[in-house]
Amino acid sequence: GAGVSQSPSNKVTEKGKDVELRCDPISGHTALYWYRQSLGQGLEFLIYFQGNSAPDKSGLPSDRFSAERTGGSVSTLTIQRTQQEDSAVYLCASSLGWGLVGNEQFFGPGTRLTVL
Amino acid sequence: DAKTTQPNSMESNEEEPVHLPCNHSTISGTDYIHWYRQLPSQGPEYVIHGLTSNVNNRMASLAIAEDRKSSTLILHRATLRDAAVYYCILLFGNAGNMLTFGGGTRLMVKP
Repeated sequence: GAGVSQSPSNKVTEKGKDVELRCDPISGHTALYWYRQSLGQGLEFLIYFQGNSAPDKSGLPSDRFSAERTGGSVSTLTIQRTQQEDSAVYLCASSLGWGLVGNEQFFGPGTRLTVL
Repeated sequence: DAKTTQPNSMESNEEEPVHLPCNHSTISGTDYIHWYRQLPSQGPEYVIHGLTSNVNNRMASLAIAEDRKSSTLILHRATLRDAAVYYCILLFGNAGNMLTFGGGTRLMVKP
């Protein structure tokens, strides 16, 4: 079956512009996560969606970052007024969200964002 | 949060077993031990997880100490494709946990 997909794979933008990153999770997965990873760094949690519950936004670094998940499936991460420090690989993951394998997260290939 | 400590790097020869250690002395009773790995230029990949008993899957085995304060990821026959950074993390319960990777262990596999 299809895994997690993300688009675009690469995005180059100018400082101050807005960007939208898309994630298509695995069908049937109720949990969806956004992370980012700067070059040579660990994983930084951004936001978590679980079913119809209010998202956990505790990892969003500033109010320029927002995300939504429509119909419990596709998610969009929006970064407004991008800054150079936003440059990173943005990773989306999904998981079943319950049961013994509820925490097994499947990652997409990521979107490499470069802010000039 | 309960933390884990892992060696920064390890080396192995191809087709030999690899034992990757992880210490988690402050683990709580409801923490699951998870292992992920990240190959170069790729997103993280789930490897295995367990609670108390040893676990086996097609990728690896997980040996958990009786007191649960340490665990070992075992790759039975390392291949060049297994060269990656391996992360040991503790997650509370079964679901709804964001991953936070520390330094991990960089595994180098020599042909």
